Amino acid sequence: EAQVTQNPRYLITVTGKKLTVTCSQNMNHEYMSWYRQDPGLGLRQIYYSMNVEVTDKGDVPEGYKVSRKEKRNFPLILESPSPNQTSLYFCASSVTPPLGEQYFGPGTRLTVT
Amino acid sequence: AQKVTQAQTEISVVEKEDVTLDCVYETRDTTYYLFWYKQPPSGELVFLIRRNSFDEQNEISGRYSWNFQKSTSSFNFTITASQVVDSAVYFCALSSLNQGGKLIFGQGTELSVKP
Repeated sequence: EAQVTQNPRYLITVTGKKLTVTCSQNMNHEYMSWYRQDPGLGLRQIYYSMNVEVTDKGDVPEGYKVSRKEKRNFPLILESPSPNQTSLYFCASSVTPPLGEQYFGPGTRLTVT
Repeated sequence: AQKVTQAQTEISVVEKEDVTLDCVYETRDTTYYLFWYKQPPSGELVFLIRRNSFDEQNEISGRYSWNFQKSTSSFNFTITASQVVDSAVYFCALSSLNQGGKLIFGQGTELSVKP
């Protein structure tokens, strides 16, 4: 089954404790992206990657890192999480945006206390 | 600047009613793509449709239909004979070639279909 998977689905952590949210797709998509969803602010892009070893900042990259060492994986790294990073995070992948629709993972609900 | 506006924050209808969700977009690009996504209470984002800026034909898929009008920069979504399972937040989104593939989302419309 074609899908985008994210782990973990739910995470509660404390300020400053490094964490990684994994994202993997099995559709051989070149493009991958991370979004965060917040009440009143909607969905905003954090980082994206056009292909392996190519990443770029989205609209809200502060406090996040990403890497794209393999085509299928695009982990989101929070080196020192803060409470303002409490959010619902979505990973997405696409053949070649915007020509192809972006398929989203199930979401990761992160709470930083 | 690119922008998507979904003026209807919440809509409540009774089952079997028709409902239209409005989407107005702004872009200076001549080539762009418009999308609708559904976010049910379970939280995932489900792709519904994509249209490119050169194709203004309306589309129908079962009870769903979309009306794309470049003259008014609108891409409205109609659900015919709504059902309780249609209850969700619906997002309209815009993307263009020179935006790095980024989807620019509207704020979403929360649709509640009551039995």
